[in-house]
Amino acid sequence: GENVEQHPSTLSVQEGDSAVIKCTYSDSASNYFPWYKQELGKGPQLIIDIRSNVGEKKDQRIAVTLNKTAKHFSLHITETQPEDSAVYFCAASMITGGFKTIFGAGTRLFVKA
Amino acid sequence: DAGVIQSPRHEVTEMGQEVTLRCKPISGHNSLFWYRQTMMRGLELLIYFNNNVPIDDSGMPEDRFSAKMPNASFSTLKIQPSEPRDSAVYFCASSRGELAGGPGETQYFGPGTRLLVL
Repeated sequence: GENVEQHPSTLSVQEGDSAVIKCTYSDSASNYFPWYKQELGKGPQLIIDIRSNVGEKKDQRIAVTLNKTAKHFSLHITETQPEDSAVYFCAASMITGGFKTIFGAGTRLFVKA
Repeated sequence: DAGVIQSPRHEVTEMGQEVTLRCKPISGHNSLFWYRQTMMRGLELLIYFNNNVPIDDSGMPEDRFSAKMPNASFSTLKIQPSEPRDSAVYFCASSRGELAGGPGETQYFGPGTRLLVL
């Protein structure tokens, strides 16, 4: 089955710096890669996603890149702000008679003011 | 749109008691997922339904756990009997599901139920 590895587990950056979180997946059949942000006491919320027919997608300060050959995808946050502090999860999904999504272990991001 | 609704938000119970968690997915979504989140194991998929039918329950820890989806707007996750190691945050999520051969769709998570079994 699919396996998603996420690094680093913890990331601390200074406000204004960039943050990069990297994930790898194992199953080449995966074709949808969402990123979720989870704030304390809340459920994960989608912040950006990318499909396998696209190599890069950007939404304001957030961008995601996908390398299908290497089975890598990454989240880039530029000009980080204290409110970006949260746990971020990458995930990989494939069509298997439903939408089973496998999540990475999460990255706890601290943005220091 | 009210989003995914879960109840209760918090549950404290004693070992051996039955626990029932409830979920109302977003209207029009036909896939529903139950997850468990702990510090040690992260976010684990327990079971998911498509069009009210259980598709994959391989993540259900053991026979003490059961889930039902009697209709498109309601699902339950039951633990009987509960044990202290079941203490976790349980999330329900829903998605629109398959669209004419399209890729997987975004899952929308509820606020979770924080369960503590003493």
